This record gives sequence, structure tokens and C-alpha cells, in this order.
Amino acid sequence: GNSVTQMEGPVTLSEEAFLTINCTYTATGYPSLFWYVQYPGEGLQLLLKATKADDKGSNKGFEATYRKETTSFHLEKGSVQVSDSAVYFCALSDFENTGKLIFGQGTTLQVKP
Amino acid sequence: GAGVSQTPSNKVTEKGKYVELRCDPISGHTALYWYRQSLGQGPEFLIYFQGTGAADDSGLPNDRFFAVRPEGSVSTLKIQRTERGDSAVYLCASSFRADTQYFGPGTRLTVL
Repeated sequence: GNSVTQMEGPVTLSEEAFLTINCTYTATGYPSLFWYVQYPGEGLQLLLKATKADDKGSNKGFEATYRKETTSFHLEKGSVQVSDSAVYFCALSDFENTGKLIFGQGTTLQVKP
Repeated sequence: GAGVSQTPSNKVTEKGKYVELRCDPISGHTALYWYRQSLGQGPEFLIYFQGTGAADDSGLPNDRFFAVRPEGSVSTLKIQRTERGDSAVYLCASSFRADTQYFGPGTRLTVL
């Protein structure tokens, strides 16, 4: 069945460092791919999405490219800030059916000043 | 506009009791989803409503779990004979025609 695998955390970086959080997926058909973020004490928020192969989603300096050939959707940011400290979830959705989301286990990012 | 709201924010109950968790979706959103998030894990799908009907309930773990959406707006997730393993954060999300989902803050359920 469909599944999402994220790199294990926690990831600890210094401010202004480059961030990569790896995400790979297994799916039938052509899913849409998402990154959601959960800041401390807050609910899940959509960070970015991509709906077809080679699409690049971007928001708040974060980017991820839908790579069908490697079944990946890695999250990147060129210069992280302390305020980026949160848990990041990769997810896929098959909009051809119910649109339900399948999430990875989450990766905790801690950015130190 | 108002986002997805969930009540209560926290619920503590005893093993064997019945609980109801409520979700108010964004106005006009026809699709509504329930997920369960255990500590340190990603959310897991429970059930999906399109309008009033449950279009996919394949994620409900057993027959103690049931959800309704009688008027196509507010939804209630009902758990009978609660067990300690039901302790988790229950998330609700809504979307317009199964497009991007917007999540509520969740209800933290603790079964003692």
C-alpha cells in the first residue's frame, strides 16, 4: 500500500545553516505530495505542496521538488532560523480517490542561535 | 475566516467510559477527515466524509469507534468502552472537494 518514509530526527542545526529533510514515498497512481509543519503548541499547518512530477512547492524559504524517478520529495531551506524549530511531516494524498493523507513519522528540527 | 475548531481541547476519561469529540469544519468545506496522532508519530487516517456520508471508514481501528456528520457540517467522533491504548491526539481536517486539507488544533484524549 501507499507509504511515506522520512529521515529520523531530531535534526539540530545552527542558525543560517542549510537544511535538508529527506522524504521518500511508495504509491500507486499519481499522488500529490505535501509538507506539513507543527510548531510547538500549535496545530498542523500546510507548508507547501506539489501535485505532479517535477513541480516545485515553495513557501517561507522552504522548497521541495516532486521527483517521480526517485519517488522523493525532500524539503530544503538555504538558511534556517530559530523560528523554524518545529516538527515537519511529509505526506501524500491520492486525490483520485478520497484524498486522505498518509503521513511520515515526522522529523523534529531544532535550530540553535 | 474561522478555521477548523475542535472541542474539547483536552479530555480525560476512565477506562471503559464513552467519549464524544466534536469538529467544526471551515464553512463551505464539503470534505471532512478524522486522524489520530500518537506521541512521536505522524497522524493516521481514521475516516473521511463527503457531505453527510462516510465515504471511507477504512482507518477506524475497531467497532468501538464511530463518527457521524448528520447535516454535512459538524462531525462527532464517538468512542465506546475506551481503552488506555485510545489515548492520543485526535485531529480533524476539512477541505473543499478533497483538495488541500486544513487541520484543527486537535483534542488530546487521555484514558486513565
